[in-house]
Order: sequence, then structure tokens, then C-alpha cells
Amino acid sequence: QVQLLQSGAEVKKPGSSVKVSCKTSGGTFSNYAISWVRQAPGQGLEWMGVIIPLFGTATYAQKFQGRVTITTDESTSTAYMELSSLISEDTAIYYCARDGSSWLNYWGQGTLVIVSS
Amino acid sequence: DVVMTQSPFSLPVTLGQPASISCRSSQSLVHSDGNTYLNWFQQRPGQSPRRLIYKVSNRDSGVPDRFSGSGSGTDFTLKISRVEAEDVGVYYCMQGTHWPPLTFGGGTKVEIK
Repeated sequence: QVQLLQSGAEVKKPGSSVKVSCKTSGGTFSNYAISWVRQAPGQGLEWMGVIIPLFGTATYAQKFQGRVTITTDESTSTAYMELSSLISEDTAIYYCARDGSSWLNYWGQGTLVIVSS
Repeated sequence: DVVMTQSPFSLPVTLGQPASISCRSSQSLVHSDGNTYLNWFQQRPGQSPRRLIYKVSNRDSGVPDRFSGSGSGTDFTLKISRVEAEDVGVYYCMQGTHWPPLTFGGGTKVEIK
């Protein structure tokens, strides 16, 4: 059974960075793409980027280019999403989601990031 | 970017009655590999999204058969044959054919009358 376990909630100052982790279990970590999706309070879903651990290169939504970095650690089957230069509009729940049969099959429980001075 | 437009925004339904959600894309979602990468997700209050349907009409494991997906090209539909109380939440369509980025519809809130 595939499970994705994310790190805990964060409170950050504007201008700082946040790094969220997503530890996976079940299945072969390297073979499946892992995306990051965020959801601002009361809003819809917004895709940020994706990485396939086997290839190690990430692809990002243009909106986040230069500000987001997605990486993986195959030794721990963990994916990471780092977002820099935080502003209040980055306050959201951040989800990791792994592919299975097609996009975004399995989801983590979400990590709340609050950006506030 | 492909724009996904869902309707209605809100859908009040009587228990046991059917419900239908529409999703339209700004361009055809048929991929050059022949697949159509259109998924549906359910997000219950306070929970993470859960995928229900992938590639238009394939139900995910554990998803009740009262949920069905259909459509082609630019027009897609999610149907619930008989709404149950546990179906309350927001439903999103998403396209994965023309990426980056993956894009989602704005969501349809299903509630019980």
C-alpha cells in the first residue's frame, strides 16, 4: 500500500524559505513521478512542479520558476519541495502526490505553511 | 496553459438522486499517444484530495461504482448515480495532457439539500 507522509506545519517570515518533505512507502520510489500541489485557504488546487526520482530532474510551473526547488533522496524514499522568497500569498496547504496509473494517484496528508510577519 | 472550466460551481443534491458535473478544456485533451489525460478528484471537508477517475473513465481502486466518468476531446462529465452523504465535498477535474503545467478546474461543491 502506497503512503505519503509529509512534514509538519510551518510558520515563516516573509522573505524566508520553507522546505517540506514527503516520505513515501510502498512501491518502487524511483519509478514514479512525484508532484507538488498547493491549495490556498478556501481556494482550488494549483500544481507547482514534478520530479521523477529515476531521472532526478524536475519540471516546474512557470509561475514558480526560480523560486521552487523539488528534489529527492532515494536512500530514504523522500521528496522535498523548497519554496523561497516567501510572501503572504504563499500561505497554503502544500501536498505531495505520486503517480500510479496516470497522474496524481496517491496524496500526502498536506503541510500547512503560514507566511506571516 | 490549458484552461479547465467546471460547472456548476455549487450542486445541491437530494440523497439518493443523481448528480452530474461538467468539465470543459480550452483545447483537446487527446495526447499524441492516443490517451486522454483527464482525471477527477474528490476533496471531502478537511481532507486531502483523492483521485476517483483517471484517463476519463477509469475508476480508481476502492471507488464506488456509483461514480463514473465520460467524455472526449474537450467535454467531460463526472456522474454520481445516487448521491450519498459521504459524497459531500468539492470535485475537481484536471488535465495532464498538455504539461507543464498540470491544470485543474475551479471545483464543484456538492452538498445535500
